[in-house]
Amino acid sequence: NAGVTQTPKFRVLKTGQSMTLLCAQDMNHEYMYWYRQDPGMGLRLIHYSVGEGTTAKGEVPDGYNVSRLKKQNFLLGLESAAPSQTSVYFCAAQEGAYNEQFFGPGTRLTVL
Amino acid sequence: EDQVTQSPEALRLQEGESSSLNCSYTVSGLRGLFWYRQDPGKGPEFLFTLYSAGEEKEKERLKATLTKKESFLHITAPKPEDSATYLCAVAPSGYALNFGKGTSLLVTP
Repeated sequence: NAGVTQTPKFRVLKTGQSMTLLCAQDMNHEYMYWYRQDPGMGLRLIHYSVGEGTTAKGEVPDGYNVSRLKKQNFLLGLESAAPSQTSVYFCAAQEGAYNEQFFGPGTRLTVL
Repeated sequence: EDQVTQSPEALRLQEGESSSLNCSYTVSGLRGLFWYRQDPGKGPEFLFTLYSAGEEKEKERLKATLTKKESFLHITAPKPEDSATYLCAVAPSGYALNFGKGTSLLVTP
């Protein structure tokens, strides 16, 4: 079992470029999450999904879009990257409400 | 507004020197309090979940406790490999987590 995997591990973008971060889980968990982690700010929730075909906004959703077309995958898109989106992005999966979340290894994104 | 505050921000211990990390929270309805460990360049690794005041959980040199307003992560006789950032999070709604900013622990030989 790989658990939660994230692709890519590192990426450098120029302002205005677009990209998609992929999160995949092999645990058959219903809930999936995207967080960003910045120095001094802690982990902040961007978007989440409580099941295939559903998405919802978190604390800091502006500039991001998500899709959950398949239960095992959760995609995070940046349509027009900005330097403020330079961060480390973590995906997490959770079996059900009130359970622990399992995190992926992260994607380090730099926007120049 | 739901808040999670961790203290201290950083802690340096000698190997074998026991101590505690604090997580205080204000939340309208606690659905769980979670402790995670995060090593540099890696994702958070789940340690414990506590659901009600008075609950305690242990794993090796770590023991987590919960009251109505705070949680403590006690580290007994720490080793250098316990060096990491420890994150506390609460689940006010059952799914999305509110994280504290973490305590960075360094254990020196």
